[in-house]
Amino acid sequence: QLQLQESGSGLVKPSQTLSLTCAVSGGSISSGGYSWSWIRQPPGKGLEWIGYIYHSGSTYYNPSLKSRVTISVDRSKNQFSLKLSSVTAADTAVYYCARMLRYFDLWGRGTLVTVSS
Amino acid sequence: EIVLTQSPATLSLSPGERATLSCRASQSVSSYLAWYQQKPGQAPRLLIYDASNRATGIPARFSGSGSGTDFTLTISSLEPEDFAVYYCQQRSNGGLTFGGGTKVEIK
Repeated sequence: QLQLQESGSGLVKPSQTLSLTCAVSGGSISSGGYSWSWIRQPPGKGLEWIGYIYHSGSTYYNPSLKSRVTISVDRSKNQFSLKLSSVTAADTAVYYCARMLRYFDLWGRGTLVTVSS
Repeated sequence: EIVLTQSPATLSLSPGERATLSCRASQSVSSYLAWYQQKPGQAPRLLIYDASNRATGIPARFSGSGSGTDFTLTISSLEPEDFAVYYCQQRSNGGLTFGGGTKVEIK
């Protein structure tokens, strides 16, 4: 059974770069024609889509975050990653990775990232 | 960007009652709309996709309807485990947005 697990730094200083990885286990990240996505949720608030990377390698980002976001995939390690630059306190959130065909049908458990000095 | 507006923000009901949740899009999304359920401390779970199709393992008491700009999620008879926050989500032209959520709470 496919599972997703986020990992990375839980505390990032303002103006620095947030880096997270999503490990895919129980199956190959390259099979099935899926896209691989990041979504975040500030404490007590709703969901915000960050972006996704297609199985082809093409990426699509939320226009409001596009200038700061990079999503990449490492097929040899069966994982994909998120980098968000120039973070501020507004980027404090639970970050989820998710699999998407047309909708998000499989999610990681999420990881809290706090931006603070 | 397509904006999804969910109403009401909070729905207070008792177990066994019927829940009707609304999601309105700022422009047509055809039938490309999904519903998710999120419980505290958990990731969201896909309930409904393409407006009216139940995802794998989702009980029949959950149903979705609508197309274009107006969509509804109905829970026919609330079970204790259904009290949660529900989000709608659309995908169109490479973009993707979520609604602000509806909290279904115990009355």
